[in-house]
Amino acid sequence: RKEVEQDPGPFNVPEGATVAFNCTYSNSASQSFFWYRQDCRKEPKLLMSVYSSGNEDGRFTAQLNRASQYISLLIRDSKLSDSATYLCVVSLNTNAGKSTFGDGTTLTVKP
Amino acid sequence: DTAVSQTPKYLVTQMGNDKSIKCEQNLGHDTMYWYKQDSKKFLKIMFSYNNKELIINETVPNRFSPKSPDKAHLNLHINSLELGDSAVYFCASSRSLTGQGVVDYGYTFGSGTRLTVV
Repeated sequence: RKEVEQDPGPFNVPEGATVAFNCTYSNSASQSFFWYRQDCRKEPKLLMSVYSSGNEDGRFTAQLNRASQYISLLIRDSKLSDSATYLCVVSLNTNAGKSTFGDGTTLTVKP
Repeated sequence: DTAVSQTPKYLVTQMGNDKSIKCEQNLGHDTMYWYKQDSKKFLKIMFSYNNKELIINETVPNRFSPKSPDKAHLNLHINSLELGDSAVYFCASSRSLTGQGVVDYGYTFGSGTRLTVV
C-alpha cells in the first residue's frame, strides 16, 4: 500500500462546478498535511496547509480527518485557471524533514 | 528575486557522461532536497540535507552524489549517465522550527532541471 494515495483522475469539470479531491495516508504518526498545485511543465507550488479544524482560502477549502486518515480539498466555482495537478503531501515532522507526495490528481476545467 | 534557483534549466547529454546540477536558495531555509519526477509525473525524494548534513538518502544509485558546501546550496552530481536517468530534477528547500518540536512549513521548489540522456 502506498504511503499517500490519491485518485489520479482525470477530473473534467465545467467552469463554475464544485469539485472535491480526497487523499488517504497510511502512517498515523503523520503530523503535517498540505496541498500543492503543479501546472504542466512547472514546479509544484504550495497551495495550502491542512489543519484539523479545516481551513479555507477563498474558493478552496481543506479538511483533515485524523481518525480516518484522509485529507480533502474542495474547490468551489471552478475557473479555467484551476486546471492543474493537485498533489497531497504528508509529513512526519521529524528532523529529517521528509514529506511524502501523492501521485497527484489531474483537474481540467472546461468552458 | 528567485527564491530557489536551479541551473541549468535544460540538460541534454549522452550516455556515460558526467553532469552536475546546481541549486541555491535565498530564503534562509535550513533544509534542502533533491526530488526526481519521472515521465509518469511521480515525484520521489532522493536526498535531504539539513544545515549541510545529509539526512535522507533514499534508494538512489551511488552514481548520484549530492554536495552541500553551505546551507544555501545543494548541488547534484551524476556520473555515468544512463537513459533511465532522464527526468525532471527539482531542488526544494524548507524551514523547520525545532525546540519544542519540529514544524513543517512546506517546501519551496526550484523550477526544475529537465535532463534528457540520449
